[in-house]
Amino acid sequence: NAGVTQTPKFQVLKTGQSMTLQCAQDMNHNSMYWYRQDPGMGLRLIYYSASEGTTDKGEVPNGYNVSRLNKREFSLRLESAAPSQTSVYFCASSEWGSSSYNEQFFGPGTRLTVL
Amino acid sequence: GESVGLHLPTLSVQEGDNSIINCAYSNSASDYFIWYKQESGKGPQFIIDIRSNMDKRQGQRVTVLLNKTVKHLSLQIAATQPGDSAVYFCAENNFGNEKLTFGTGTRLTIIP
Repeated sequence: NAGVTQTPKFQVLKTGQSMTLQCAQDMNHNSMYWYRQDPGMGLRLIYYSASEGTTDKGEVPNGYNVSRLNKREFSLRLESAAPSQTSVYFCASSEWGSSSYNEQFFGPGTRLTVL
Repeated sequence: GESVGLHLPTLSVQEGDNSIINCAYSNSASDYFIWYKQESGKGPQFIIDIRSNMDKRQGQRVTVLLNKTVKHLSLQIAATQPGDSAVYFCAENNFGNEKLTFGTGTRLTIIP
C-alpha cells in the first residue's frame, strides 16, 4: 500500500496562475482532507470531504476549490494564486464514517511557492 | 473557539534520556487524542492514540498519558535516539466529529 500520495512535490507559480494539487489514497477511506502548514503554525484545514460526493469548508477555504473525484482522489485547486498561498499543503485520509474516531493518515506534502 | 495547545515550543534532550512532551486541550467534549511526529520535509506520521476511557497507553518506546481532570495530555519517549528529532503535534477529536484540531507543535532535538 502506498498510503496517501500527493503530486507534485514542489511547485513554483507566479501570482495569478492556476494549478491543481492532486491527492490519492489506497486505503479505501471515506474521508479526505486538505491542510496547509505555515512556518511556526499548526495544520489548518482548508477543505474536507467526509464521504464521496460531499465537500465542506474548513478553517481557511478562501482562494481554494476542491473536487472529490471518486473515493480515492481529492484534488485542491488554486484558481488565481497569491503570495499568501505560499505554504506546504498536506492531504490526509481517514476511515471516519465507518469508524467514528478520526485517525488521519497524511501524504508527504506539496511545497508551493507563489512569486 | 476550542483549541489544543502545547506548553513548550522547543525541547532539547540528551540522547538516551527520556523526553516528555506536553499538550493542553480546552474542549471538554474531546474524547480521542492522537500524537503525530513530523520529520523535516515530511508529512505528519501517526505515533499513538488514546481514548478518553483510558489514562495511559503504551507503544514501542512511547507512552501517552491522559489527565481528563486538568485536560492535559503528554507523550513520553523512552531512551531517545537521534531519529526522534522532529516536531510532535497533538490532535484532538470527539466522537462523531469529522475534523481534528491540531496544536502548533513542539520541536524535539536530541543532543548526541
